[in-house]
Amino acid sequence: EAGVAQSPRYKIIEKRQSVAFWCNPISGHATLYWYQQILGQGPKLLIQFQNNGVVDDSQLPKDRFSAERLKGVDSTLKIQPAKLEDSAVYLCASSLVQGAMETQYFGPGTRLLVL
Amino acid sequence: ELKVEQNPLFLSMQEGKNYTIYCNYSTTSDRLYWYRQDPGKSLESLFVLLSNGAVKQEGRLMASLDTKARLSTLHITAAVHDLSATYFCAVDMGAGTALIFGKGTTLSVSS
Repeated sequence: EAGVAQSPRYKIIEKRQSVAFWCNPISGHATLYWYQQILGQGPKLLIQFQNNGVVDDSQLPKDRFSAERLKGVDSTLKIQPAKLEDSAVYLCASSLVQGAMETQYFGPGTRLLVL
Repeated sequence: ELKVEQNPLFLSMQEGKNYTIYCNYSTTSDRLYWYRQDPGKSLESLFVLLSNGAVKQEGRLMASLDTKARLSTLHITAAVHDLSATYFCAVDMGAGTALIFGKGTTLSVSS
């Protein structure tokens, strides 16, 4: 079974530029998460989708970050304009909820450096 | 606000020694996860603990959960170099909710 795919793997941009990340979840997984992991910290939720609807975007900096999940499968996360503090690894995870059981499977991440 | 605290944050171990990583969380939850992250890599699920008293073991790692104390432990037995990585614990508030992670414990095993 293929895992969560993300691209690009690395991105270097200058502040105030825009950038977009793509995620393809595991087939059949209805729930998709975007997390931000700053160096030396644990991942922090940015946004959660259930199919193509937003479940939780309370921690998404909406003045500069946006995300969508068209057709309930692939998802894109965009930053416009980027700030230095956005340098981080952006992790996409997907899961299949079965009763009380849920395991989130993480993609390889996109490492963003803002100069 | 749910908080998850791990200690220690850094752990330097000798091969063959035993040690324990502690994970405390601040609200009622009976769902606790342990993940492993190698440098430059993504997170790999190690254990899912879903009830008070749950204990799971895989190789040299054993995880347990005490929901009354809001504490999980990850015990390492006879450490080997291959266990060098960062270990994260995380909690959620139910299936279909986001994970809240601790800061991670970076484990370095040397001979």
